[in-house]
Amino acid sequence: QQQVKQSPQSLIVQKGGISIINCAYENTAFDYFPWYQQFPGKGPALLIAIRPDVSEKKEGRFTISFNKSAKQFSLHIMDSQPGDSATYFCAASMHQGAQKLVFGQGTRLTINP
Amino acid sequence: ETGVTQSPTHLIKTRGQQVTLRCSSQSGHNTVSWYQQALGQGPQFIFQYYREEENGRGNFPPRFSGLQFPNYSSELNVNALELDDSALYLCASSSTGSGNTIYFGEGSWLTVV
Repeated sequence: QQQVKQSPQSLIVQKGGISIINCAYENTAFDYFPWYQQFPGKGPALLIAIRPDVSEKKEGRFTISFNKSAKQFSLHIMDSQPGDSATYFCAASMHQGAQKLVFGQGTRLTINP
Repeated sequence: ETGVTQSPTHLIKTRGQQVTLRCSSQSGHNTVSWYQQALGQGPQFIFQYYREEENGRGNFPPRFSGLQFPNYSSELNVNALELDDSALYLCASSSTGSGNTIYFGEGSWLTVV
């Protein structure tokens, strides 16, 4: 019940295209869903996050879509650029108790120029 | 830059030895968490400290221990190192007043030989 499943494992998109990464969770107590971007040799950087009271959140080229009934959420990167090439992790946590993030397995995104 | 600083950045230890990793949290953040990230995987929650006490623990053995100091900085100690402990160790800081927003440092790469 603590798992977050992420797909695909790897993704190749042409420059200017839309990158889409999907995540699914089981624990309905999760109430915070962030996405992190990680470059090789660096720590994860918070990209965008959403709470289940909204179905979509957009920040620049990055959008999270959230489907509470399906227990799924996804990251869309519009106009993908070579600089977006990185590993992306979805995560989930609960407001109650320790602020523990449960991470997906990660998606290695490559944007071809 | 997240304001979370970790040291050392890289270190090599021998199986059976002990290691101490250090973290300074972002200014104003009173909660520190530690995560282990094995190569090619998502970060795994080790434990969290709040007000100098452990406030939640993941599925890690007791040889993983920690401290939080009055200035909110923290240490992660690992005793009796095993080869499987080779990983990137990430410190994350947050504030109880900022919801679940969690920021990571760049990590400490530990290699056990």
